[in-house]
Amino acid sequence: GAGVSQSPSNKVTEKGKDVELRCDPISGHTALYWYRQSLGQGLEFLIYFQGNSAPDKSGLPSDRFSAERTGGSVSTLTIQRTQQEDSAVYLCASSLGRESYEQYFGPGTRLTVT
Amino acid sequence: TQLLEQSPQFLSIQEGENLTVYCNSSSVFSSLQWYRQEPGEGPVLLVTVVTGGEVKKLKRLTFQFGDARKDSSLHITAAQPGDTGLYLCAGKGTSGTYKYIFGTGTRLKVLA
Repeated sequence: GAGVSQSPSNKVTEKGKDVELRCDPISGHTALYWYRQSLGQGLEFLIYFQGNSAPDKSGLPSDRFSAERTGGSVSTLTIQRTQQEDSAVYLCASSLGRESYEQYFGPGTRLTVT
Repeated sequence: TQLLEQSPQFLSIQEGENLTVYCNSSSVFSSLQWYRQEPGEGPVLLVTVVTGGEVKKLKRLTFQFGDARKDSSLHITAAQPGDTGLYLCAGKGTSGTYKYIFGTGTRLKVLA
């Protein structure tokens, strides 16, 4: 079956520009996570969506970062006025729900800010 | 703030050798997961442990959750080149949270 997909796979942008990263979760999965991974290190939690509940935005590093999830499915992570320190791989994961242990990850979007 | 420290950070061994990766925290977790990630891909779940002292085996991989649920280990027996990758542990808190705290990662390279 189809897994989590993310687009674009790579994005190069100039400092100061806005970018949008997209995540298509597995159909039927109500939970969706965004993470950031720098230089092959561990994952940094950014934001969590669960069904129609208010998202947990506690991991967003600044107000330049925002995310939405339309219709409980596709999610978009937006970074405004990008900075070089935003360069990283942005990973999306979905799971069946709050009590599910397994997260299924997409391949990530590699963002490079020049 | 909950942190998960992994050791070692890097490990390069010969095929056939055994190795152990550690994941440590001062915090208690309700469950702990191990993932393997290959270049250009997202992490893939290997195992979830939920009970203190629990041991799970997956072929040549043995996972253990500490009695106090603050630490975990991953032991690989007779490592193969296919085991090469980034190993990540991830803990879920005890206060009903759904957030996972990921470890710092261990990059393993198994040489043929």
